Amino acid sequence: NAGVMQNPRHLVRRRGQEARLRCSPMKGHSHVYWYRQLPEEGLKFMVYLQKENIIDESGMPKERFSAEFPKEGPSILRIQQVVRGDSAAYFCASSTGPGYEQYFGPGTRLTVT
Amino acid sequence: QKEVEQNSGPLSVPEGAIASLNCTYSDRGSQSFFWYRQYSGKSPELIMSIYSNGDKEDGRFTAQLNKASQYVSLLIRDSQPSDSATYLCAVHSGNTPLVFGKGTRLSVIA
Repeated sequence: NAGVMQNPRHLVRRRGQEARLRCSPMKGHSHVYWYRQLPEEGLKFMVYLQKENIIDESGMPKERFSAEFPKEGPSILRIQQVVRGDSAAYFCASSTGPGYEQYFGPGTRLTVT
Repeated sequence: QKEVEQNSGPLSVPEGAIASLNCTYSDRGSQSFFWYRQYSGKSPELIMSIYSNGDKEDGRFTAQLNKASQYVSLLIRDSQPSDSATYLCAVHSGNTPLVFGKGTRLSVIA
């Protein structure tokens, strides 16, 4: 399966812990996007990355959240000191470039207890 | 602030009918337009992309784009209960991120 992969699919963290979400883009794609979706709400853009570069992080909260897409390995979205409000589905998508079709991974459901 | 507007629904259509989903966008410079389907608890799935004015057909789906009216629609012919989902319109312009509408919930009644 050459689709977008995300892991873990489900993640439970206690308040104050760190959450690390991983995304491997579709084969041939070098552009990665992270979105957050709260229950019954729309998709909210968080960050757009290319290999080793953050292109646009305008949707990322200023504190506790960071993202990277290293030269080797998956893209990682890191949430430090999680709070209950961070509970959501986090989706990763990839594309061949800006403006082209984005394909989504299955998502990571984060629950903060 | 670039906006993409969709009627939240639910839009209910009988099985076999045509479902018409509409979307308007605020940025006149938008260049790329996409329709995604999202089943409850699942990730968005790309259905159609359209880049130029007019119609684009793919099986039972037709996307229609009118840039002058800043309007894009999705028609689903011969609707099936399995088409029941939330349909997301997404619009891209320039170097800005893809902007998603909040989605229209479609219910196809058998």
